[in-house]
Amino acid sequence: LAKTTQPISMDSYEGQEVNITCSHNNIATNDYITWYQQFPSQGPRFIIQGYKTKVTNEVASLFIPADRKSSTLSLPRVSLSDTAVYYCLVVNSNSGYALNFGKGTSLLVTP
Amino acid sequence: GAVVSQHPSWVICKSGTSVKIECRSLDFQATTMFWYRQFPKQSLMLMATSNEGSKATYEQGVEKDKFLINHASLTLSTLTVTSAHPEDSSFYICSAVGTPKNIQYFGAGTRLSVL
Repeated sequence: LAKTTQPISMDSYEGQEVNITCSHNNIATNDYITWYQQFPSQGPRFIIQGYKTKVTNEVASLFIPADRKSSTLSLPRVSLSDTAVYYCLVVNSNSGYALNFGKGTSLLVTP
Repeated sequence: GAVVSQHPSWVICKSGTSVKIECRSLDFQATTMFWYRQFPKQSLMLMATSNEGSKATYEQGVEKDKFLINHASLTLSTLTVTSAHPEDSSFYICSAVGTPKNIQYFGAGTRLSVL
């Protein structure tokens, strides 16, 4: 099972672009990379998912290099409400199983 | 997007009592559901995997007799904390996967406080 490693914390000012990188060196062929956002006392909220190359939706972009051993979540023009913990999760597409949630990255956005 | 409802959101109980937490997938059929526990300022720890119609698979170190999981239908899984003690106080979160299985959708979580 792929173990993930992310920076523990990051700081940013409002309006800046934030990039959070996650390493998952032993990712398997059937694994997808999924990013979640969690606010205190709430369940994680799905942000974006990808398998390879680049994926973009209305809230974020996800960059995955060819070897898939890392991924970068890009949040454009963050606001104060983006202050949260962000988790990178490697999910097996056959079972939906993901043992290691990792420690996540605590993002603090300030004015 | 897919919606997972978890109930109750907060429960306080006396030590020794049992507490049941429900997890429902509202707009999709969840063949597999997962139960996590999260202590303050820590990450989510997977407790068990529950498949509809079969026994749950528990992660190492999780007591199956203490945390009873039932996945009786494609939209409902329940977690019962039996004979709860103060050390069981935590934030319990469920998730569900539909088809395809590569995205877990999470409930809002249940805050359990055992007095």
